[in-house]
Amino acid sequence: EVQLLESGGGLVQPGGSLRLSCAASGFTFSSFAMAWIRQAPGKGLDYVSIISDRGDSTYNADSVKGRFTSSRDNSKNTLYLQMYGLRAEDTALYYCAKYVAGTPTPAFDCWGQGTLVTVSS
Amino acid sequence: QSVLTQPPSVSAAPGQRVTISCSGSSSNIGNNYVSWYRQLPGTAPKLLIYDSNKRPSGIPDRFSGSTSGTSATLGITGLQTGDEADYYCETWDSSLSAVVFGGGTKLTVL
Repeated sequence: EVQLLESGGGLVQPGGSLRLSCAASGFTFSSFAMAWIRQAPGKGLDYVSIISDRGDSTYNADSVKGRFTSSRDNSKNTLYLQMYGLRAEDTALYYCAKYVAGTPTPAFDCWGQGTLVTVSS
Repeated sequence: QSVLTQPPSVSAAPGQRVTISCSGSSSNIGNNYVSWYRQLPGTAPKLLIYDSNKRPSGIPDRFSGSTSGTSATLGITGLQTGDEADYYCETWDSSLSAVVFGGGTKLTVL
């Protein structure tokens, strides 16, 4: 069974930093691109970042460029999101998601349960 | 404001058919495939449609997707009360080099 388990969320002050993790199991992690997608309380889905299967390419949303970095350790089947310079508007539930194999346009067929990041003083 | 435009809400009776629209532009829907997700309250999104009209394994054929020009449509037949959820469209925007989502549509089954 494909599973994604996020961790690392919490309360952080504005300007602070946090690193999220996503532990993957049930599939060949190193063969799939992965993504971070967030959802502010009561709001819609908001793309954050995509990372290639080997981790050598990343695409970040303009809203997080220069502040957030996604990475992965294929030997540990784990995806990461390093966040710096956090702002109140970054408050959200952060999901990691698995890219559908073989599709030319990003689509995500497995999502974790999310980890909540709250940015507040 | 979302790059992709969806109606905030739609409603229909049990057993009926409903469609949810998603409007974009030539830099996104006009030249890329569309995916659709359903999000039940308090749960993670679930993929319903990808590559505009393909269903993942386990998704019933009550769900269908189509595109025309710069718009996409999700169709749901045989509505059930369990279909009450938020529905999101998603694609790649070639100008932004980013994934873009619609703002979401809340489906009410009356």
